[in-house]
Amino acid sequence: AQSVTQPDIHITVSEGASLELRCNYSYGATPYLFWYVQSPGQGLQLLLKYFSGDTLVQGIKGFEAEFKRSQSSFNLRKPSVHWSDAAEYFCAVARLPLGGGATNKLIFGTGTLLAVQP
Amino acid sequence: SQTIHQWPATLVQPVGSPLSLECTVEGTSNPNLYWYRQAAGRGLQLLFYSVGIGQISSEVPQNLSASRPQDRQFILSSKKLLLSDSGFYLCAWMAPGQGFQELFFGEGSRLTVL
Repeated sequence: AQSVTQPDIHITVSEGASLELRCNYSYGATPYLFWYVQSPGQGLQLLLKYFSGDTLVQGIKGFEAEFKRSQSSFNLRKPSVHWSDAAEYFCAVARLPLGGGATNKLIFGTGTLLAVQP
Repeated sequence: SQTIHQWPATLVQPVGSPLSLECTVEGTSNPNLYWYRQAAGRGLQLLFYSVGIGQISSEVPQNLSASRPQDRQFILSSKKLLLSDSGFYLCAWMAPGQGFQELFFGEGSRLTVL
């Protein structure tokens, strides 16, 4: 079964420092991968997605992620973190329904809570 | 443009009371609709999804049910709430069709069961 693992529950970085959030997936075929961000008490906003093609994906707010099939990873990066980036980040993989057919469900990791120190 | 609305935003209910959370989508037709629950430290759990009116798929056995009485309306219900039903409930929609596309989320409904 498809699954997503985010090994870091909580990360603290200093403002201006670089950031990398880890995501590992389990999937039998080429995955559809996503990163979402959630501010406290809010819904989720899509940062970026990977469907196919270039393995380095650019997203909003200066974020990027790299798909590495050999490592089953889709880590999120940002070269310089801003205080407004403090939020919870979720990695997700699209899941195929049993018996095949259209892919129409998204499975999330448990999230990484990012704190930014001034 | 498409929008998604959830209400109520916050709800405090006693154990054993009923529940109804509503979600509506505007600006699209025949969307796929989803209910997720977010409990502290447990990420997002897919509860139900629907690909059309009256078509509901349940992901996990639980005390909740879902209904889709209209094309762009998705309702999450319970007859008798449990303490464990507390959490942040998120409705989401996706454009219909083959393959996977972006999932758009509502602002969420926070349920506290006392």
